[in-house]
Amino acid sequence: GQQVMQIPQYQHVQEGEDFTTYCNSSTTLSNIQWYKQRPGGHPVFLIQLVKSGEVKKQKRLTFQFGEAKKNSSLHITATQTTDVGTYFCAGPHTGTASKLTFGTGTRLQVTL
Amino acid sequence: NAGVTQTPKFQVLKTGQSMTLQCAQDMNHEYMSWYRQDPGMGLRLIHYSVGAGITDQGEVPNGYNVSRSTTEDFPLRLLSAAPSQTSVYFCASSYTGINEKLFFGSGTQLSVL
Repeated sequence: GQQVMQIPQYQHVQEGEDFTTYCNSSTTLSNIQWYKQRPGGHPVFLIQLVKSGEVKKQKRLTFQFGEAKKNSSLHITATQTTDVGTYFCAGPHTGTASKLTFGTGTRLQVTL
Repeated sequence: NAGVTQTPKFQVLKTGQSMTLQCAQDMNHEYMSWYRQDPGMGLRLIHYSVGAGITDQGEVPNGYNVSRSTTEDFPLRLLSAAPSQTSVYFCASSYTGINEKLFFGSGTQLSVL
């Protein structure tokens, strides 16, 4: 079945360092979404990418969708303690229009 | 708007007991879904609904039932709880489907002993 993997599973950085998480799908995606989940919280939508090669920025966060639409990345510049949480990518399940498959997530820890 | 409301927040069950997790949204969303979250496994889709009266299975539907009699409500029923169903459950909704952002409830932490 379709798999959406994220690497790394966990990353610990010092405040001010950059961070990148990668999302890889076994199948081509029509679009990809990114969510953030704070510890003890629920996932919150960050962004959606639709076009091949698309790049979007939200302040210190940069999102990219691969040319083949099978991978994506989230890069955070100069991390802050408020960036702590787990970042998930998600894409439509192959062959259906109503199932969203989430990646395994990357947990980010930021220390001073 | 309250958004997506889940109750209860915490629940402890004994093996074999049944219960219903409630989910309600006040945003007039057509699409609703249930996910379970287990450590290291991300979020896995249990069941979903594209509108009142329409439900379908996700990746891990065994042991769970759903119904959608109104647009607002999408309860998840555990028929006979098992320890393997110990998890955090999230309800999520969107206006029309998965090609737009999902709004998540705050979750239900369920322990089955």
